[in-house]
Amino acid sequence: DAEITQSPRHKITETGRQVTLACHQTWNHNNMFWYRQDLGHGLRLIHYSYGVHDTNKGEVSDGYSVSRSNTEDLPLTLESAASSQTSVYFCASSESRYSEQFFGPGTRLTVL
Amino acid sequence: QQPVQSPQAVILREGEDAVINCSSSKALYSVHWYRQKHGEAPVFLMILLKGGEQKGHEKISASFNEKKQQSSLYLTASQLSYSGTYFCGTEIYTGNQFYFGTGTSLTVIP
Repeated sequence: DAEITQSPRHKITETGRQVTLACHQTWNHNNMFWYRQDLGHGLRLIHYSYGVHDTNKGEVSDGYSVSRSNTEDLPLTLESAASSQTSVYFCASSESRYSEQFFGPGTRLTVL
Repeated sequence: QQPVQSPQAVILREGEDAVINCSSSKALYSVHWYRQKHGEAPVFLMILLKGGEQKGHEKISASFNEKKQQSSLYLTASQLSYSGTYFCGTEIYTGNQFYFGTGTSLTVIP
C-alpha cells in the first residue's frame, strides 16, 4: 500500500547543530508540504513543493530549508537548530493542488 | 492569513450536535477539514471548493460560503469517536500557500 513515512520519529539535538528530517511518500504525488505544530498555533506551513526542483517558502520558513530532487522525497533541514524550533513536524503530500493532503506520522524534535 | 476557528473548545454528550466555524479575512478558493486525535497525524474529512457547495460524510457535513469567506463543519448525533481536534485549512486566491486554523478541540462524553 502507498504511504508517507517520516524519520526519525523522535530526535533530541543541541542548539547550533544541523538537523535533517526525512519525508518519503510512495503515492507519486507532485505536492509535498512541511508543517510544524505547536500548542496554540495549530499547523503552520514551513515549506512546500509542487514538483521536482520546485520549492517555496511558507509562513514560518526562517531557519529551515528544503530541496526536491525526486518525486518521493522532501527532506527538511534546520541549518542551525534553535530552542524555538522544538516542535512536532508533519510532512504531507497531495496529488494535486486542490486535493486532500495525506499526513505522515510526525517527528517530535527537541532542541536543548 | 491564518483562518479563525470558533469555538476553541466544545464538550458534548453523545448524540448532541455541534457546529465548528472557520472564517478567513481573504477570499478563499478552497476549504479543507481535518480531524486529529491526540498523538496522531491529522486525517482528512472533506474538501470544499468555491461555489458554496455543501458536502456530507455520514453524520459529518460542511458548507462553504464563498461570499462570507466562511466554512462550517456540522457534526450530527455525535459519537465518542468524534473526539479530537478539528482543523480547517484554507487556500486563498492570491498566492499558493495553505493556511490551517488554530483548531477546535471537541470532546464527546458518554
